[in-house]
Amino acid sequence: NAGVTQTPKFQVLKTGQSMTLQCAQDMNHNSMYWYRQDPGMGLRLIYYSASEGTTDKGEVPNGYNVSRLNKREFSLRLESAAPSQTSVYFCASSGGGQKETQYFGPGTRLLVL
Amino acid sequence: GNSVTQMEGPVTLSEEAFLTINCTYTATGYPSLFWYVQYPGEGLQLLLKATKADDKGSNKGFEATYRKETTSFHLEKGSVQVSDSAVYFCALRNTNAGKSTFGDGTTLTVKP
Repeated sequence: NAGVTQTPKFQVLKTGQSMTLQCAQDMNHNSMYWYRQDPGMGLRLIYYSASEGTTDKGEVPNGYNVSRLNKREFSLRLESAAPSQTSVYFCASSGGGQKETQYFGPGTRLLVL
Repeated sequence: GNSVTQMEGPVTLSEEAFLTINCTYTATGYPSLFWYVQYPGEGLQLLLKATKADDKGSNKGFEATYRKETTSFHLEKGSVQVSDSAVYFCALRNTNAGKSTFGDGTTLTVKP
């Protein structure tokens, strides 16, 4: 039982390049989330998917797209990376209820030059 | 809308000192409340939670009580250890399958 896995762990991009961050969970959770974490700014929600087949914008969606490929997988795409997207990205998943805990992946550290 | 306000850090304590990290919230309805911990270089993990008023969550010597009258969920530990050094996040959730709201995090450093 691996929980939430993310790939890659580290990535360096040049401005304008594109990339996709992958996330998968093996807990049969309905809901999945993408956050970014920047120093002094806590966690900010980029996009989330309440269930397979649905996605919704969070606080900071500009410059990102997501795909809920199936119940297990939720990817985040940067179409044209910018230095402001340098951050640590976390994927999370949870069951559907209000009492449910969120389970986080280990994070992807992205540097955009 | 929902919001979570945490005690500003960083907090530095000596080993065996008493810890309190304050957390207050604003939310409609009856949210569930959580404390998550993030160790260096890792993702967040659940420390404890409480799902209704007056519930006490506890884990690894940490405790927090859901106080609806003061809209608070303060984290406490009687005797901290160096291994407790981490960032602590308070969070709430009041919709099914929806978003959680996180505080900004409080960095705790415990010195030997």
